[in-house]
Amino acid sequence: ETGVTQSPTHLIKTRGQQVTLRCSSQSGHNTVSWYQQALGQGPQFIFQYYREEENGRGNFPPRFSGLQFPNYSSELNVNALELDDSALYLCAKGRAGETQYFGPGTRLLVL
Amino acid sequence: GENVEQHPSTLSVQEGDSAVIKCTYSDSASNYFPWYKQELGKGPQLIIDIRSNVGEKKDQRIAVTLNKTAKHFSLHITETQPEDSAVYFCAASKRGGADGLTFGKGTHLIIQP
Repeated sequence: ETGVTQSPTHLIKTRGQQVTLRCSSQSGHNTVSWYQQALGQGPQFIFQYYREEENGRGNFPPRFSGLQFPNYSSELNVNALELDDSALYLCAKGRAGETQYFGPGTRLLVL
Repeated sequence: GENVEQHPSTLSVQEGDSAVIKCTYSDSASNYFPWYKQELGKGPQLIIDIRSNVGEKKDQRIAVTLNKTAKHFSLHITETQPEDSAVYFCAASKRGGADGLTFGKGTHLIIQP
């Protein structure tokens, strides 16, 4: 067990809607990252938050945004959902270049 | 940016035999290389990692080797067991960087009884 929890476990949305995914950790860590994993692919880095500020971003458009709270929990928000946003969304505690522990993920289906 | 290639995409071995998965990376500045195991319906689980100042690391039946000059690293699993069946991912990143982990596309390891 990594101590990283995510909610909800599954979610179904329709195109154009907005979604918020949540991540928390039993042991607080000042760095959290979010990844998107399409079916049959490796996870792709979305962004990283360090002390409540975004300090790294992958090749994802601005409609993907996030927040990190003082208790180190985090949210991923996706606006104007597209069919290609259907994927497993993973959060991880730990800094890039150091050990990162992943949560179980939220599976999002966009219809 | 970094690019990680992973081979093979599927690997089937007899129980008790060894399995080897290979990855190459493109960015010579990458210095941290973890391996993750992902079972169906679960998030990736870290199984072993290696830093660029080390050539080899072993943990019981699992070992990882790194060749910085050739920019490739490999996962070795000995005495494979049915519970080793899963998808394995290699990844690379730079310590202190903010670019996250770059993953390979994964290897589906099948252990035949």
